[in-house]
Amino acid sequence: GAVVSQHPSWVICKSGTSVKIECRSLDFQATTMFWYRQFPKQSLMLMATSNEGSKATYEQGVEKDKFLINHASLTLSTLTVTSAHPEDSSFYICSATTDRGFSQPQHFGDGTRLSIL
Amino acid sequence: AQTVTQSQPEMSVQEAETVTLSCTYDTSENNYYLFWYKQPPSRQMILVIRQEAYKQQNATENRFSVNFQKAAKSFSLKISDSQLGDTAMYFCAFMKHPNQFYFGTGTSLTVIP
Repeated sequence: GAVVSQHPSWVICKSGTSVKIECRSLDFQATTMFWYRQFPKQSLMLMATSNEGSKATYEQGVEKDKFLINHASLTLSTLTVTSAHPEDSSFYICSATTDRGFSQPQHFGDGTRLSIL
Repeated sequence: AQTVTQSQPEMSVQEAETVTLSCTYDTSENNYYLFWYKQPPSRQMILVIRQEAYKQQNATENRFSVNFQKAAKSFSLKISDSQLGDTAMYFCAFMKHPNQFYFGTGTSLTVIP
């Protein structure tokens, strides 16, 4: 149980285009979803936290207009990288949890490797 | 602010041997959770084990166990009978209410056949 699906797993696109990444909880309702960015051989950096039906809470230094997050349902959150540039190339990982409050671990998707040419 | 420190960037262990990965954290919270996640080359983060701060008993999951020292703010992971499939990056994580996660910088573990 607690499967999180992330799509696409790999995307290559030209500079200036927008890219949407989907994160779905397949067998549970995800009240809270998280988006992380991971550079090679580094840890996960939390970008934002989103609760279903609410605006996402962004971490300091993360551009809200650059990384648009939507959590429209209990099973789907999307991250849109707008007007992507080569410096946005990275590995993006989503995770989901069933508990708004506490106690539940995060369940991670497989990640999306984004390459901007 | 919460910080999670993993002081061993890389470790190796012979197959079937035991290895311990260290993790320390800094917090003023009294109620929190600690986790170890594994990230194999496939890049998916997999939960290995979790520990509630209010529990004194160390968590155990098959070959994986932790040594949780709350006063010392230490949370080490012991892998017994290491297997080739254990080769991965291991991240220690701290969670406080409400679902705020902090990850360590990771330890790359290689199991040698």
